[in-house]
Amino acid sequence: SQQGEEDPQALSIQEGENATMNCSYKTSINNLQWYRQNSGRGLVHLILIRSNEREKHSGRLRVTLDTSKKSSSLLITASRAADTASYFCATDDSDSNYQLIWGAGTKLIIKP
Amino acid sequence: KAGVTQTPRYLIKTRGQQVTLSCSPISGHRSVSWYQQTPGQGLQFLFEYFSETQRNKGNFPGRFSGRQFSNSRSEMNVSTLELGDSALYLCASSRDNYGYTFGSGTRLTVV
Repeated sequence: SQQGEEDPQALSIQEGENATMNCSYKTSINNLQWYRQNSGRGLVHLILIRSNEREKHSGRLRVTLDTSKKSSSLLITASRAADTASYFCATDDSDSNYQLIWGAGTKLIIKP
Repeated sequence: KAGVTQTPRYLIKTRGQQVTLSCSPISGHRSVSWYQQTPGQGLQFLFEYFSETQRNKGNFPGRFSGRQFSNSRSEMNVSTLELGDSALYLCASSRDNYGYTFGSGTRLTVV
């Protein structure tokens, strides 16, 4: 079963612009992770934010977590064509017992 | 370092057949998880192994099974294939279950 929803389902922006994707989840979590997937291939781990963290940065990525609203956002700054991919959030909640529960993903298209 | 290796990359099988997929985790990673990805259901958890023990299993029928060997390599088996089993099967390994490294997947088509 899927934990939550991602918003928007699809996003198309110009190269150089910032892209923001949102993820909502349902249960209490230990951590939330963001992954990227190119064209139905394997998933690449981008960033992990723990439940006691509110913001985390990694290069051009900025992730926020609001546990009171059970939501997270992923910001990609200065987007590049190579950022075109699907982005998924996954939660590791206290009851999940070694499994990740996934959102439906946001398909991001960067136009040159 | 070598990543997670899944074999084969592509597979076409006929309904009723069985299939075995293989996953070699990153050296030193003892946790191996399997996920099924389909356009309709998204990513769904199949099972997770640690040191040859299955620690958790998702909500899939008994036709889906797996195992892990002493070298942490893992296999999953699907018996009596159905058309709905067509999917991308992803394997992930982890050292400590904080952040997973995924393989490129095996795309299974059942005809």
